[in-house]
Amino acid sequence: GAVVSQHPSRVICKSGTSVKIECRSLDFQATTMFWYRQFPKQSLMLMATSNEGSKATYEQGVEKDKFLINHASLTLSTLTVTSAHPEDSSFYICSARVPGRQFLSGNTIYFGEGSWLTVV
Amino acid sequence: DQQVKQNSPSLSVQEGRISILNCDYTNSMFDYFLWYKKYPAEGPTFLISISSIKDKNEDGRFTVFLNKSAKHLSLHIVPSQPGDSAVYFCAASDAGGTSYGKLTFGQGTILTVHP
Repeated sequence: GAVVSQHPSRVICKSGTSVKIECRSLDFQATTMFWYRQFPKQSLMLMATSNEGSKATYEQGVEKDKFLINHASLTLSTLTVTSAHPEDSSFYICSARVPGRQFLSGNTIYFGEGSWLTVV
Repeated sequence: DQQVKQNSPSLSVQEGRISILNCDYTNSMFDYFLWYKKYPAEGPTFLISISSIKDKNEDGRFTVFLNKSAKHLSLHIVPSQPGDSAVYFCAASDAGGTSYGKLTFGQGTILTVHP
């Protein structure tokens, strides 16, 4: 079946530096990917919708200059946390939608394994 | 504004009995609903989904019921097994919208199934 892979699974960075997280669709072309953030014991909150070849659409309250999203190919979207601060420490998860399928189910939306970011 | 709510933070059930997880939503534009199981530091695992044109969908031990008039859905797990212990998230989507595939999640319910 289709798989979405995230890398790295865990990353520790120093405050003030930038870190990039990759989300790849391994066996389908994803024109649309989504980035979520989950703080400990909380829900998954959508940060932005990543569209191949165009600018990402950010949810209200998400700083687009801080969370840079690039969807340069049909199989790769990247999330770069710029000038990271300890409060950016969180679990970041991407999902990808299989194009052309109408019914939302387990074979139309695939989630990555997630990436733990710790900013020290 | 929490558009998808899971009002029970936790649920404890005996092995073999039924687990019922509840979810309420406020956005009448939602037309697909999905349930996910999740462990810490892992991505969500899809369990079952339902379209708003249906009121029930069943897959093995999992059944989802949708009451559109009450804007309420529930996930039934029968029989419950210790391996079902995890956090369960309800999610909803406006599949006909421009952000097709964008999901709004509830807060999650921690299910513990005791042997």
